[in-house]
Amino acid sequence: AQSVSQHNHHVILSEAASLELGCNYSYGGTVNLFWYVQYPGQHLQLLLKYFSGDPLVKGIKGFEAEFIKSKFSFNLRKPSVQWSDTAEYFCAVNPRSYNTDKLIFGTGTRLQVFP
Amino acid sequence: GAGVSQTPSNKVTEKGKYVELRCDPISGHTALYWYRQSLGQGPEFLIYFQGTGAADDSGLPNDRFFAVRPEGSVSTLKIQRTERGDSAVYLCASSLNGVAGANVLTFGAGSRLTVL
Repeated sequence: AQSVSQHNHHVILSEAASLELGCNYSYGGTVNLFWYVQYPGQHLQLLLKYFSGDPLVKGIKGFEAEFIKSKFSFNLRKPSVQWSDTAEYFCAVNPRSYNTDKLIFGTGTRLQVFP
Repeated sequence: GAGVSQTPSNKVTEKGKYVELRCDPISGHTALYWYRQSLGQGPEFLIYFQGTGAADDSGLPNDRFFAVRPEGSVSTLKIQRTERGDSAVYLCASSLNGVAGANVLTFGAGSRLTVL
């Protein structure tokens, strides 16, 4: 079935460690790609997006993501995490080839950063 | 308004009852989305509107679920004959139209529905 997969369900890191969260999707054709973040007690907010062009995109708070078309992946990275990055992270895909603007979300990755 | 507003923030109802959840999008946002999120899961798409019309309702789970947006602004999600499995957080989001704005969703805080 067509889907968005996030393989890491729960990640625990110490401050200053590097982060990489995986996201793979199974939609063919052109896609728009997103990472959303939900901090404790807050609602979902956009972290970064990819529509076209440079496959390495930079978002807020030092996050970046790389679109690798051949691998159907859009992994999220941050070189040095902070305690304030503790949150749930969701990858989302808009399958443009399917003539819809809906976003399909992955199941999320819970990140805990300890001082 | 400044953000997406959802009411009620919490709703507890009994199995079999009818429920309405309201969403007030950001002023000027033409697209409006409904998702639901169960514990430990990502947001699950239900329906989205472009203006007054439902552009994609492929995520509505069955005919007990219905949504309207009669004037292209506020939307109401209606659930008939609620079941315990309907318990979830119902999220609303809105976005601008156009290439640059499309798909960039701004979410509300959600309406937590509990069916006893």
